[in-house]
Amino acid sequence: AQTVTQSQPEMSVQEAETVTLSCTYDTSESDYYLFWYKQPPSRQMILVIRQEAYKQQNATENRFSVNFQKAAKSFSLKISDSQLGDAAMYFCAYRSVWGGSNYKLTFGKGTLLTVNP
Amino acid sequence: DVKVTQSSRYLVKRTGEKVFLECVQDMDHENMFWYRQDPGLGLRLIYFSYDVKMKEKGDIPEGYSVSREKKERFSLILESASTNQTSMYLCASRPGSQGSTEAFFGQGTRLTVV
Repeated sequence: AQTVTQSQPEMSVQEAETVTLSCTYDTSESDYYLFWYKQPPSRQMILVIRQEAYKQQNATENRFSVNFQKAAKSFSLKISDSQLGDAAMYFCAYRSVWGGSNYKLTFGKGTLLTVNP
Repeated sequence: DVKVTQSSRYLVKRTGEKVFLECVQDMDHENMFWYRQDPGLGLRLIYFSYDVKMKEKGDIPEGYSVSREKKERFSLILESASTNQTSMYLCASRPGSQGSTEAFFGQGTRLTVV
């Protein structure tokens, strides 16, 4: 079974600065998807960014980018020019491409990000 | 926009009650999921469904059952609520096709069992 580990329960960053959230995962599969979700105080889970494992290029969405290291099974999220609205719980998630476990997401325990003005 | 709607944001129930949590999605998604979210534990999958009347156990199905009679609706049932089922419950849906399409989540139901 796959596992996802977020080793930082809490992080803080100054507004306009850059912060990196860590995620590692364990899998024997060669093809899979990785996601970062954001959960603000409103509780609505929102997709931040996704990465297909077969793509070597790191995904980027505006101020959000990932550092995907497949051999190291690492998938960190970098937030540039942090804004107050980035304050939230961030979850890293894994999904298989094939088989029955294709259906479900496996989540890490989350990292609570605080943005200081 | 995809919309996943959970019937209640907050619920308070008594120990031993039968509890129904309802979830409706409006995008004709084949897959629907129920997760439980607890501090320090992240999200854990309770049950999922990949088609009408089809269901699969997730990682923590004990004490729960589900029902999917219509494609758009997925219900989580606590047969006899207990205090250790006090938690946040999140419903999600996703298309059945392959690919990296993300899951879409409802706003969660915070259930307190007293």
